[in-house]
Amino acid sequence: EIVLTQSPGTLSLSPGERATLSCRASQNVSSSYLAWYQQKPGQAPRLLIYGTSSRATGIPDRFSGSGSGTDFTLTISRLEPEDFAVYYCQQYGSSPRYTFGQGTKLEIK
Amino acid sequence: EVQLLESGGGLVQPGGSLRLSCAASGFTFSSYAMNWVRQAPGKGLEWVSAISGGGGSIYYADSVQGRFTISRDNSKNTLYLQMNSLRAEDTAVYYCARVSPARIEYWGQGTLVTVSS
Repeated sequence: EIVLTQSPGTLSLSPGERATLSCRASQNVSSSYLAWYQQKPGQAPRLLIYGTSSRATGIPDRFSGSGSGTDFTLTISRLEPEDFAVYYCQQYGSSPRYTFGQGTKLEIK
Repeated sequence: EVQLLESGGGLVQPGGSLRLSCAASGFTFSSYAMNWVRQAPGKGLEWVSAISGGGGSIYYADSVQGRFTISRDNSKNTLYLQMNSLRAEDTAVYYCARVSPARIEYWGQGTLVTVSS
């Protein structure tokens, strides 16, 4: 079973700053099978990035994804007030089908 | 517009049973695999179960294998999760989700299941 470890656990930044969130896998993950989600309090998660670097429908271009092998990154180029939330990475596999990281909380500094 | 509406959550005693439903609309339901994903209070996301569009392929997380059963009725555009032998650690918001290859594209708003005496 592949384990995803996200860092940092909490990231404190100000609007306008750049955010870099990390997701490290315990084994190689196909770039096609790595996704990122955003979740705000009391809401369902929202798909941001799939296939490591493809933005989902309606996602602003300030969100970008990169990486390969065991190291993946979500970058938010210039933080907007609505970007402060919890972010999860996810990989798709055979068993279990979907594995999530433990999340990174992006909070306002 | 894709819509997923879960129902059936509530308070149940340990060892009890509950059946969740998810009514889907806005897309051709039988063409898509569907998942259940849960989130314990204050915790992260945990994948629970998946079912293919036709219902012929089914997968479970180890934590629910043998206790939960996923099914679907494509004539009613509805996904189900039958949960038996419930435990306190099954307490969570349960999300119905539509999948596209290797990702969860749409999520319902969730239904809360509380297992407590």
